[in-house]
Amino acid sequence: DAGVIQSPRHEVTEMGQEVTLRCKPISGHNSLFWYRQTMMRGLELLIYFNNNVPIDDSGMPEDRFSAKMPNASFSTLKIQPSEPRDSAVYFCASSLSWGGYGYTFGSGTRLTVV
Amino acid sequence: AQTVTQSQPEMSVQEAETVTLSCTYDTSESDYYLFWYKQPPSRQMILVIRQEAYKQQNATENRFSVNFQKAAKSFSLKISDSQLGDAAMYFCAYISGNTPLVFGKGTRLSVIA
Repeated sequence: DAGVIQSPRHEVTEMGQEVTLRCKPISGHNSLFWYRQTMMRGLELLIYFNNNVPIDDSGMPEDRFSAKMPNASFSTLKIQPSEPRDSAVYFCASSLSWGGYGYTFGSGTRLTVV
Repeated sequence: AQTVTQSQPEMSVQEAETVTLSCTYDTSESDYYLFWYKQPPSRQMILVIRQEAYKQQNATENRFSVNFQKAAKSFSLKISDSQLGDAAMYFCAYISGNTPLVFGKGTRLSVIA
C-alpha cells in the first residue's frame, strides 16, 4: 500500500481564495482524521470520520472550514475564504476504527496564505 | 478531557549516548494505548513505539524502549546508541475508546556528532 496520500504537498494562495486539500486513506482503514500543526498550538484535531460519516467536527476553527468524505477512498478539507492565520501544515491520517494500533499519517500539506 | 504533557521542549544528546524523553498523561480510563511518534525535518509523522496500558511489560523496538508507569501516568521514551538520524520532534500520544489520538506539544531532540 502506498500509505496515506495527500495533495498538494505545498500550497501558496492569496487571502480570500478558496483552498482545497485532498486525502486518500489507506485501503481498509475506516477512520479518517484531519489535523492542523502550528508552532503555537501544536497538533490539533480538526475533524474525523468513521465509515465516511463525520463524527466530531468540534475542532474546526470556523465556518470557513469544511470537510467531506464522499467515499471510503477520498476526503477533502476546504477553506473558503482563506486567511493568513490559516497558514499551517495540514495532516490527514487514517486508522482501523478503534485506533489502537495508532494512526498512519500522510506527508502533510504546507499551506501558506499571503 | 484527556491531556498529554511533554515537559521538555528541547533535548540534546551526544551521538552513541542514551537519552530519555518524558511524557505524562491524565486520564480516568483503565484501558488505553500510548504512542511515541517521530517527526523528522521531512515532517512525516512516523510511529516509533506503541504501549498497551493493560500490559505491564514495557514495549521495545530496537534502540527505542519505553518506561511505562501506569500508576504515575508516566510514559517515557529511551533512545539508546543515539544516531544522527534520530534528530527530530518526538510526540507522545494517547488514545482510549472512541476518543481520537491526543498529542503532547512535542520535544525537539538534537543529536550532536
